[in-house]
Amino acid sequence: GESVGLHLPTLSVQEGDNSIINCAYSNSASDYFIWYKQESGKGPQFIIDIRSNMDKRQGQRVTVLLNKTVKHLSLQIAATQPGDSAVYFCADEAPGGKLIFGQGTELSVKP
Amino acid sequence: SQTIHQWPATLVQPVGSPLSLECTVEGTSNPNLYWYRQAAGRGLQLLFYSVGIGQISSEVPQNLSASRPQDRQFILSSKKLLLSDSGFYLCAWRGLYNEQFFGPGTRLTVL
Repeated sequence: GESVGLHLPTLSVQEGDNSIINCAYSNSASDYFIWYKQESGKGPQFIIDIRSNMDKRQGQRVTVLLNKTVKHLSLQIAATQPGDSAVYFCADEAPGGKLIFGQGTELSVKP
Repeated sequence: SQTIHQWPATLVQPVGSPLSLECTVEGTSNPNLYWYRQAAGRGLQLLFYSVGIGQISSEVPQNLSASRPQDRQFILSSKKLLLSDSGFYLCAWRGLYNEQFFGPGTRLTVL
């Protein structure tokens, strides 16, 4: 069945460094991918999305890269700040508009 | 702009008691609505989704049910709670480009 997984459960970075969070997906027909940020006790917050006809998309301090050949997705955060500390989820869209979420990577930013 | 509300924010209920969680969306019409459960701060499990009033699709067999009595109202219910129903319940609506936006969540503890 379809699954979305993250390579690492935790990631610790120094403030000011760049962060890279990785995600693998299994469904080669997946067309749409989203990254979410979830702070403790809050609902997930939409960060950025990308469709399969693109391999890169940039937002404010964030970049999502999509490698369809190896079914890999990554989120890059530039100049990581303490406010970036959270759990980050990738998700891909299954038939019917449902999202399949990965298990999350916890990002910790050291001052 | 669109907003999504959930209440209550936290709930402690005894085993065997009933449950009713409410989600309402403002600023959009006929949205697709979703109920997720998140255990231990990781991984979102889709429970129900609705594409319109009175239309409910169940993803996981369980003692929970959902209803959509109005266009922008989505309710999650149970007649008798189990210990395993504890978790963080999230409501989401689907945006124009298939992204999903989440509410603040309800933390349910079943004792």
